[in-house]
Amino acid sequence: EAGVTQFPSHSVIEKGQTVTLRCDPISGHDNLYWYRRVMGKEIKFLLHFVKESKQDESGMPNNRFLAERTGGTYSTLKVQPAELEDSGVYFCASSLRKGPILEAFFGQGTRLTVV
Amino acid sequence: AQRVTQPEKLLSVFKGAPVELKCNYSYSGSPELFWYVQYSRQRLQLLLRHISRESIKGFTADLNKGETSFHLKKPFAQEEDSAMYYCALGVHGSSNTGKLIFGQGTTLQVKP
Repeated sequence: EAGVTQFPSHSVIEKGQTVTLRCDPISGHDNLYWYRRVMGKEIKFLLHFVKESKQDESGMPNNRFLAERTGGTYSTLKVQPAELEDSGVYFCASSLRKGPILEAFFGQGTRLTVV
Repeated sequence: AQRVTQPEKLLSVFKGAPVELKCNYSYSGSPELFWYVQYSRQRLQLLLRHISRESIKGFTADLNKGETSFHLKKPFAQEEDSAMYYCALGVHGSSNTGKLIFGQGTTLQVKP
């Protein structure tokens, strides 16, 4: 069974540019989460989808971040325009709709560097 | 406030020595605690959850509500245990929502 996959694994962009991160969850997992770890800090929650609906986006830092999950399958996280402080590792995770929803399976992460 | 504290950034032990990775939490509700591990060049993966009370790879963790702790222990460390360990608090919201609150992580280094 394929795990959670994220693309790209690394991205280096200039301040002011736009970057789109993609996450493919495990097939059948309705819950999809985005987290990120910025340098020296803990991994922090960004938002939670159930299928295509945003259930909780309380962790999104500002309106430069836009997450979508059209069709309830893969998700994208767009940063526009990127700022230096957006550098970090962005993780995607997925879990089943019922049962232990917090037993999430994580992707390998996308390392974003804004220069 | 919902918070997870891992006081040690780095824990270095010799092979065969006991290991205890500390984790304390702050949460007013009923806590759901997890330990995640990230080996070098691998993804974050679930190691333990307090609900199951299981032992994985020789690791155990007991939830102590009085001390608000969920320390991870192993009696005899192995070199392959070297990794980054994250303690996480599961917080449920309304309508079957939830999220994980992570500690800052502890790097465990097991020396030969």
